[in-house]
Formats: sequence, structure tokens, C-alpha cells
Amino acid sequence: NAGVTQTPKFQVLKTGQSMTLQCAQDMNHEYMSWYRQDPGMGLRLIHYSVGAGITDQGEVPNGYNVSRSTTEDFPLRLLSAAPSQTSVYFCASSYGGTGDYNEQFFGPGTRLTVL
Amino acid sequence: GDSVTQMEGPVTLSEEAFLTINCTYTATGYPSLFWYVQYPGEGLQLLLKATKADDKGSNKGFEATYRKETTSFHLEKGSVQVSDSAVYFCALRPPWGSARQLTFGSGTQLTVLP
Repeated sequence: NAGVTQTPKFQVLKTGQSMTLQCAQDMNHEYMSWYRQDPGMGLRLIHYSVGAGITDQGEVPNGYNVSRSTTEDFPLRLLSAAPSQTSVYFCASSYGGTGDYNEQFFGPGTRLTVL
Repeated sequence: GDSVTQMEGPVTLSEEAFLTINCTYTATGYPSLFWYVQYPGEGLQLLLKATKADDKGSNKGFEATYRKETTSFHLEKGSVQVSDSAVYFCALRPPWGSARQLTFGSGTQLTVLP
């Protein structure tokens, strides 16, 4: 199993540009999520999905869109990048449900800089 | 709402030193508590967890005990190695909560010198 994979690893954008961060998992997990990690702060949830075709907002969703057309893939779209979106982005997946079935597996991250 | 407070970093230790990273939390009821580790260039990995009061989670020589009376879950290791250099995150989840309800602390950078 490759686990959770993310591409690209690094990206530099100019303000106003758009891009898609890719995330894929091969563990047949129903639950997938996107976090951003900023200095001095813990991970903050951007969007999540409990299954194909179902997405919802997390704590900091503004400026980001997601879709979930397959169980495996959960891309994150920045429609018009802003410097405030400079961050490290992590994708995670888990079996779903509640309680002890919730261990999350994280991808290696994408470091995004918006100039 | 729920919150997690970790000791400020960075922490620098010599090899074989004793490690403590403090973590306290605010939550209702009996949340599940976690420590995640992030090695350089990698994503977070679950290090250990505890789901009820007085439980001790342990893994790779690290331990943490769920203390309801002090709302704490401090991470300890008796003898750190250079390979333990990483960022450590404390986190909580409400009882029977879902993955989206994880609340993370701000992380503590640990550097172990040979």
C-alpha cells in the first residue's frame, strides 16, 4: 500500500493564480480530510468528506473548494490564491465511523507559497 | 470549545536525556487523547493514544498517562535518541467523536543532539 499520497510537494504561486492540490489513498477509507498547518498553530481542518459525493466544511474553508468523485481521490482547489494561504497542507484519511476506528493516516504534505 | 495547550518549543536535548513535553486540555466529558509525531519531510503519524482516565499509552519508548484530575497528557521518554528529533503534537477527540473532531495543539519541535 502506498498509503496517502500528495502532489506536488512544493508549489509557488502568484496572487490570483489557481491550482489543485492532489490527494489519493489506496486503503479504501471512506473519510478524507484536508488540513493546513501554520507556524505556532496546530492543524486546522479545511474540508472533509465522509464518502464519495459527500463533502462538508471544516474550521477554515474560505478560499478552498473540494470534490469527491471517487473513494480514492480528494483534490483541494484554490480558485484565486492569496498570500494568507501560504501554508503546509496535509491530506488525511481514515476508516471512518467513530471511536477507535478513527486513526487518521496523513500524507507527506504540500508546502505552498503564495507571493 | 475544546482546546489543547502544549509547552512552547523548541526543545533541544542531548542524546540519552530524559524528555517531557507537557500537554493540557480543556474539554467536556472524557475525550480520547493522542500524541502524533511528524518527522522531517513527512506527514503526521499516530505515536500513542489513551481513551479513558488513568490509561497509559506507550510506543517506541514514549509514554503518556491520561490524568483526568489535572486534565493532562504529558509525553515522556527516558532516554531520547537523535532519531527522535521531530515535531510532536498533542490532540484530543470527543468521546465517540469522529475524525473531523480532532483538536490539535500547536506542536513542539524536539531536536536531539549527539
